[in-house]
Amino acid sequence: QKEVEQNSGPLSVPEGAIASLNCTYSDRGSQSFFWYRQYSGKSPELIMFIYSNGDKEDGRFTAQLNKASQYVSLLIRDSQPSDSATYLCAVNQKVTFGIGTKLQVIP
Amino acid sequence: GAVVSQHPSRVICKSGTSVKIECRSLDFQATTMFWYRQFPKQSLMLMATSNEGSKATYEQGVEKDKFLINHASLTLSTLTVTSAHPEDSSFYICSAVPGTSASSYEQYFGPGTRLTVT
Repeated sequence: QKEVEQNSGPLSVPEGAIASLNCTYSDRGSQSFFWYRQYSGKSPELIMFIYSNGDKEDGRFTAQLNKASQYVSLLIRDSQPSDSATYLCAVNQKVTFGIGTKLQVIP
Repeated sequence: GAVVSQHPSRVICKSGTSVKIECRSLDFQATTMFWYRQFPKQSLMLMATSNEGSKATYEQGVEKDKFLINHASLTLSTLTVTSAHPEDSSFYICSAVPGTSASSYEQYFGPGTRLTVT
């Protein structure tokens, strides 16, 4: 089992819809969870981090963490074409990244 | 804030030569910096953890004698790819963790260096 798992996609959503990106991790001792956005040919950009169970909202982005289920997700409301990118889930346990989910927002 | 720069952004070198990549935190101090490598359509793979004033910690499978890391100050880490070969061609990305404590893993990434070895 991979340490951090994501569906590589692509995930296609229409403009204005909610995009839901999911990530599971294997190590129950993990404490910190991060979502990064990476445009093609560019380096990752930190979007959000979450440490506690529950939801954390920042603008159009909401991170959700469920440690019991070892699951972290990212919701993007009112998706825009500029949100089209690969979204990387990262777990700080040995700084492990998922492969990323490619999101395509269709105008 | 939290800007990280890398230089060069692109480099093409001949097989057998060495290439140095610089990673700088421009507006914060970073005791810890990370070096990653990313091949096309793959995720970031951590190569090593660079600690200011001490030896780098390399991940399994990464040759420390081939990928030399120096973290001489709180704002600069360098990665030297020695005797580069075509299979070393990749996107090399550094990141820096603000603060003098490595307990924060809010990494900020540099823009990356695309290395092509011919």
